Amino acid sequence: KAGVTQTPRYLIKTRGQQVTLSCSPISGHRSVSWYQQTPGQGLQFLFEYFSETQRNKGNFPGRFSGRQFSNSRSEMNVSTLELGDSALYLCASSLEITAYNEQFFGPGTRLTVL
Amino acid sequence: GQQVMQIPQYQHVQEGEDFTTYCNSSTTLSNIQWYKQRPGGHPVFLIQLVKSGEVKKQKRLTFQFGEAKKNSSLHITATQTTDVGTYFCAGLIYNQGGKLIFGQGTELSVKP
Repeated sequence: KAGVTQTPRYLIKTRGQQVTLSCSPISGHRSVSWYQQTPGQGLQFLFEYFSETQRNKGNFPGRFSGRQFSNSRSEMNVSTLELGDSALYLCASSLEITAYNEQFFGPGTRLTVL
Repeated sequence: GQQVMQIPQYQHVQEGEDFTTYCNSSTTLSNIQWYKQRPGGHPVFLIQLVKSGEVKKQKRLTFQFGEAKKNSSLHITATQTTDVGTYFCAGLIYNQGGKLIFGQGTELSVKP
């Protein structure tokens, strides 16, 4: 069974630009969650999608948005990039809602904002 | 907002020594999950604890969930170099809409 895949793996952008990251969950998984990981802040929850609906949202500004498609693939978008958005963005999928199910993480997208 | 605190932040041990990381919440947790992230890797699920006072073992790893469901611990007996990595707990805050809150993680280094 293929694992969670994320594209691109690395990305360099400049301040003010926008970026779209993609996540393909494990086949059959309906929940996709996104996390931001930085050395100082650890793993910060961004949002969770389940069956194309945003089920939960973390404490991030509106510049961070996401969506989930009917095939469970998910994208997250960050607009008007800031230097502080430089981080590893991790996507995780689970069979059902995240709260009570094992999450399988992807390798992440390393975003650098210059 | 609600937080899950994890200590220590770093732990350096000699191979063969034991290691413990602790997770604490000011509010009741519905459940707690533990993950391990190797250097340069991504978090990998280890276990989930749901019941008050629950204890689960995986070889040299022992996981506990407190009686009040506000704290948890991961204990590794006789560490090996393969145990190196960052261990995260993630707690589901009761009545908080199902968001898993991750602790800051404990980075374990093992000296051979």
